[in-house]
Formats: sequence, structure tokens, C-alpha cells
Amino acid sequence: NAGVTQTPKFRILKIGQSMTLQCTQDMNHNYMYWYRQDPGMGLKLIYYSVGAGITDKGEVPNGYNVSRSTTEDFPLRLELAAPSQTSVYFCASSQTGRDTEAFFGQGTRLTVV
Amino acid sequence: ILNVEQSPQSLHVQEGDSTNFTCSFPSSNFYALHWYRWETAKSPEALFVMTLNGDEKKKGRISATLNTKEGYSYLYIKGSQPEDSATYLCALPYSSASKIIFGSGTRLSIRP
Repeated sequence: NAGVTQTPKFRILKIGQSMTLQCTQDMNHNYMYWYRQDPGMGLKLIYYSVGAGITDKGEVPNGYNVSRSTTEDFPLRLELAAPSQTSVYFCASSQTGRDTEAFFGQGTRLTVV
Repeated sequence: ILNVEQSPQSLHVQEGDSTNFTCSFPSSNFYALHWYRWETAKSPEALFVMTLNGDEKKKGRISATLNTKEGYSYLYIKGSQPEDSATYLCALPYSSASKIIFGSGTRLSIRP
């Protein structure tokens, strides 16, 4: 059972570069989420999606973009990387977004230098 | 945006002792409350999903209660063991249950 798969696991970016963090799930979940782990702050929601073709901003969307062309995939795009985007990024999915748990990927550790 | 508060921020407990911590949230527009356990260098994993006022959930030595009218949930760990060391997160669905917003977590360390 693959669950939620994120790639890459680690990446170093230079300031101003762009990259896409990949996330795919095989549980046929409609709801998908991107979070970043800020020290002492837990998880902050970047973007979320309630189904293919539908995305919306979370708590900290600036500097990021997402798309949801299929139920399975929810890539996160960083444009013009900045040191403030150094973080661990987690993708998650949920069946109902409410009364069922979220399942998380293994995380992507991104460093911007 | 929804304000989910957890206390204390960190906790150091002797092995064998019992402990508890709190998640507070606005009582209006409640949909559900999730508890997650997050070990260092791993991903968060769900412990409980609670939906009804007065809900009580139990998994082994860990249990949780929910009071939606006053806006809080307690997580209890009985007879703490070293493997209980982790950050415990609570989270609530918000905005028609579309967004899941997390608290900042309680970091639990168990002293042998």
C-alpha cells in the first residue's frame, strides 16, 4: 500500500530557482493538502484541494502555486525560491476532509541557499 | 482563520507517570477534531478523530475526550513509556470542513 508518496525527499535550491514538489496518492481521496513545518509552529497549511480542478489558498500561500488536474496528483510549485521557504513540506490526503483522518507523505526537506 | 491552541508547548515526564495536555478551539462551527502523533524524522499519524460532544476515544494507554460546547479536548497518556516521546498535534477542519488547521503541538519527552 503506497498511500501518499512525495518526491524528492531532499533538495537544495539556490535563491531565485524554481522547483516542483510532487505528491501522489493511491487511495482515491478527494481532499489533498500541502503543509510546511515551521519550527515551534507545527504545520501550516499552504494550499488545499477538494477535488480535481479545485484548489484554494491556506494560511501561508505566498510564493507557492498548485494544480490538481487528476484525483491522484497534487504538485506544489515554488517560483523564485527564497531562504524563508527553507522548510520540511508535507503532502496529505483525506477521504472526506472532516470526519476521517489525514494521511501524510514522508515529507520533502528543502533548503534554499 | 481558525485559532487552534495547544498547551503546554512542551512537557517532560518521568517514565511510568501519567500525563495529559489540552487542545482549545472556537466552539462555533465545529465539524470534527483530530489528534495526531508525530515522531521525530517521521510523518504525523492519526490517533483519533472525534466528532461528537462528549466523545471519548481510547487506544491502548492513550485516550482523548471532547467538549465541543466549551471548545476543548484533552489527550491522556497513562503510564508513559519512552516510545511515547513525540509531538502530539490536534487539528480541526475549518471553512465548511475543507481546510484542516493544526495547532502548534505539545512536545512530550519521557525520562527513563
